[in-house]
Parts: sequence; C-alpha cells; structure tokens
Amino acid sequence: DIRMTQSPSSLSASVGDRVTITCRASQSIRNYLNWYQQKPGKAPKLLIYSASSLQSGAPSRFSGSGSGTDFTLTVSSLQPEDFATYYCQQSYSTPYTFGQGTKLEIK
Amino acid sequence: QVQLVESGGGVVQPGRSLRLSCAASGFTFSSYAMHWVRQAPGKGLEWVAVISYDGNNIYYADSVKGRFTISRDNSKSTLYLQMKSLRAEDTALYYCTRDRGILVVPPAIGYGMDVWGQGTTVTVSS
Repeated sequence: DIRMTQSPSSLSASVGDRVTITCRASQSIRNYLNWYQQKPGKAPKLLIYSASSLQSGAPSRFSGSGSGTDFTLTVSSLQPEDFATYYCQQSYSTPYTFGQGTKLEIK
Repeated sequence: QVQLVESGGGVVQPGRSLRLSCAASGFTFSSYAMHWVRQAPGKGLEWVAVISYDGNNIYYADSVKGRFTISRDNSKSTLYLQMKSLRAEDTALYYCTRDRGILVVPPAIGYGMDVWGQGTTVTVSS
C-alpha cells in the first residue's frame, strides 16, 4: 500500500498569511494527488485534483503543485473560513490512501 | 442539485451485519465510479471501497476485505455497502462519495471525490 505523510500535523497562522502544507507519498503516484478541506461537523470538500487542478467552486487562493512523491498545497492569503483540517489523498492505485491530516488553526 | 444521501446507519452488536444505502440525485449516476469513505470519531479519513460506473470493477481496503461488499443499482441511482462481521473498529461516520471518473481498469486510477454525502453513523458496541 502507498503511505501518505503530511506535514505539519498542525499549523497556527494568521489571517492574510501564506501557508504551505506538504504531502509525501511512499512511492511515485505521478500526479494522482487530491486535496480536501474538512470543517468541524461537515463532510470534506475537494479543493485540488490531479495535484494542481482547482476544483470548480474552490477559491483561487488555493493552489497545488508537485509530481511523483512530493506535493504541496498553498493558500496564498488565509481567510477566516480557511481554518480547517486538510487531507491529501492518492488515487493512483488502490487502496486510495489519505494522509493523516493537517489542522490549520488561528494564531 | 447534485446530492448524495446516506442511510442505514445505527448501533449494532459486534459480529452482526448492517447495510448502508446512498441515494444519488441531480446527476447521471451510471456515469460515475462511487466510493465509501469512513471517519472514526476524532480521527482522519479512511477510504473503504470503490465500484466502477458499471459495477464490474470493485476494490476494498484491506481492513474490510472479505467482510464488506460494495454494490450499486444504476436503475435506482443507489449505492450500497453490506457490512458483515462488524467489529468495534468499524465504528465511524460513513460517507458516500462520487469520483470524478468512471474507474477504467486497468489501471484502477481515481480522479478525486467531488461530491460527498452528509454521512451515516455506524456504532459497533455490545
């Protein structure tokens, strides 16, 4: 199975900050990497698919990059509604594993 | 609007069975692969199973293989998860999700889960 490791596990930041979350796969997954945002008590939402494609309806301040084993999710200027938990997920091969999550909190 | 609505969750004793359903609406159900994803209380997301658009290709997480069965009825736009031999560690909120693709095999590549239901809670306890 492909192991997905996110860092950091938690992050404190302020409104307006630029933040980056990293996701590393235990083997190459080409660009089959997706990012999700989950707020407390809510279902996750797809933000980025295929490593760098912005899902329809997701704010343009979110961007993704990477290929192979190393990927990043960047928020260019944090907004109050961005404080949530973020998960990466590989869809290159089954089982489609998730990272452990990164909780983004207000500083 | 595009919607997924899960049902069938509840409290069940260890070793018993339960069947979850997911009713889809607002899109052509038969054109998409579908997944089940679960989240234990206070924990992260765990992918459970996927079924191709036509039901011919199915894959499971190792943790549920041999105990859970995913299926679909395209005529009813409904996804199912039959769960047997339930364990305490199966306690979770179960989400039904839509893949952006159809799941052509080979390779069994997914394209991201773009629609999620609100989830149905399964509690396995004596």
